[in-house]
Amino acid sequence: ELQLVESGGGLVQPGGSLRLSCVASGFTFSNYAIDWVRQAPGKGLEWVSYISSTGITTYYADSVEGRFTVSRDNAMNSVYLQMNSLGADDTALYYCARAGVGLVNKKNLDVWGNGTTVSVSS
Amino acid sequence: DIQMTQSPSTLSASIGDRVTITCRASQSIGSWLAWYQQRPGKAPKLLIYRTSTLESGVPSRFSGSGSGTEFTLTISSLQPDDFATYYCQQYNTYPMYTFGQGTKVDIK
Repeated sequence: ELQLVESGGGLVQPGGSLRLSCVASGFTFSNYAIDWVRQAPGKGLEWVSYISSTGITTYYADSVEGRFTVSRDNAMNSVYLQMNSLGADDTALYYCARAGVGLVNKKNLDVWGNGTTVSVSS
Repeated sequence: DIQMTQSPSTLSASIGDRVTITCRASQSIGSWLAWYQQRPGKAPKLLIYRTSTLESGVPSRFSGSGSGTEFTLTISSLQPDDFATYYCQQYNTYPMYTFGQGTKVDIK
């Protein structure tokens, strides 16, 4: 079964840091780029970051650029999202998703985890 | 930045109804448009990509059309499982995605 499982969410004070993890199973992890997408309570989906299959290439949404860092360990089938300088606007359910279907340079998110919740509050 | 606008924001419909959701891009995105379904408390699920290609396992009552800046998702005969929120997503700027704000389909 194709699966992504996120962890690491929790309650953090404004200005604090958190590291999310996403562990994959059921597919050859090193063949796929992975994205993070978040959803604030009662709101829509917001793309956060992308990391290529090798980990060499990363992209970020303007809203997190300079504060968030995505990395991966293909030996551990894992992707990580290091989040620094967190603010109330970062409160959300964070999903990792596999960019798995479509053309080589035009992929869509075909496998999603169930998400991990990040709450930023004093 | 490309903005994606969906209409309506909420849609009330009955079982068996034909339902159409519209998604407009602030500039041309060619055919690089996908649709996702999100049921309450669940992760999003890819339904359609490249405007009209059904993801594996998605029922044929779902269809997509459009190009450039205007796109539609149609459900030909609404079923109980289809009450959910639907998001369009542009990926012309892949690997950077932009989602629409969502359309909630609820029971009339």
